[in-house]
Amino acid sequence: QSVLTQPPSASGTPGQRVTISCSGSSSNIGRNTVNWYQQLPGTAPKLLIYINNQRPSGVPDRFAGSKSGTSASLAISGLQSEDEADYYCAAWDDSLNGYVFGTGTKVTVL
Amino acid sequence: QITLKESGPTLVKPTQTLTLTCTFSGFSLRTSGVGVGWIRQPPGEALEWLALIYWDGDQRYRSSLRSRLTITKDTSKNQVVLTMTNMDPVDTATYYCAHSPPGDILTGPWGQGTLVTVSS
Repeated sequence: QSVLTQPPSASGTPGQRVTISCSGSSSNIGRNTVNWYQQLPGTAPKLLIYINNQRPSGVPDRFAGSKSGTSASLAISGLQSEDEADYYCAAWDDSLNGYVFGTGTKVTVL
Repeated sequence: QITLKESGPTLVKPTQTLTLTCTFSGFSLRTSGVGVGWIRQPPGEALEWLALIYWDGDQRYRSSLRSRLTITKDTSKNQVVLTMTNMDPVDTATYYCAHSPPGDILTGPWGQGTLVTVSS
């Protein structure tokens, strides 16, 4: 049972902007940084955003992360067909003393 | 370049113990702050963190599975081993190991994953 809640799906046409929310609590997002992972079909997850809003080298600036209070968001601007994937937020939870993932959001490019 | 690769059985019977090995290169578990963790993903479901071991031997476990999990490291072999006892069909999943750099948690890279099926 995930403690970080994401919408199960999101979609948009090429070029549009899509936003994915990640709702947590004071013990996880409220106290710790958020990471976002992208999982392309049939592959291992890959880091997309770390420390709330930092992009690893090689990640396009179309991807942007933000955090406010006990929630975080991932925005994908200029949506492209290769962005079709599952996206997961994650954070350390001080109450559980463990790393928690979100429920995952499947992004579809129409 | 950091790489990790999981290895172990693809099929285990219910009640058996699963032993998975993560063999890595490109970093050392002797380096302060570095860790290696395990995550699993049942077919069609979300990611689930299992365990994490740090350079100094500090171990963290998913609370709901704490009694069944053990994570160990062999620094000389660049390996981290996860054992899970009393396997059940609900434990069928792809199991990944991942690198945790200093100051971050499981930001990767991740291994390719290994599918473990629990069935009699």
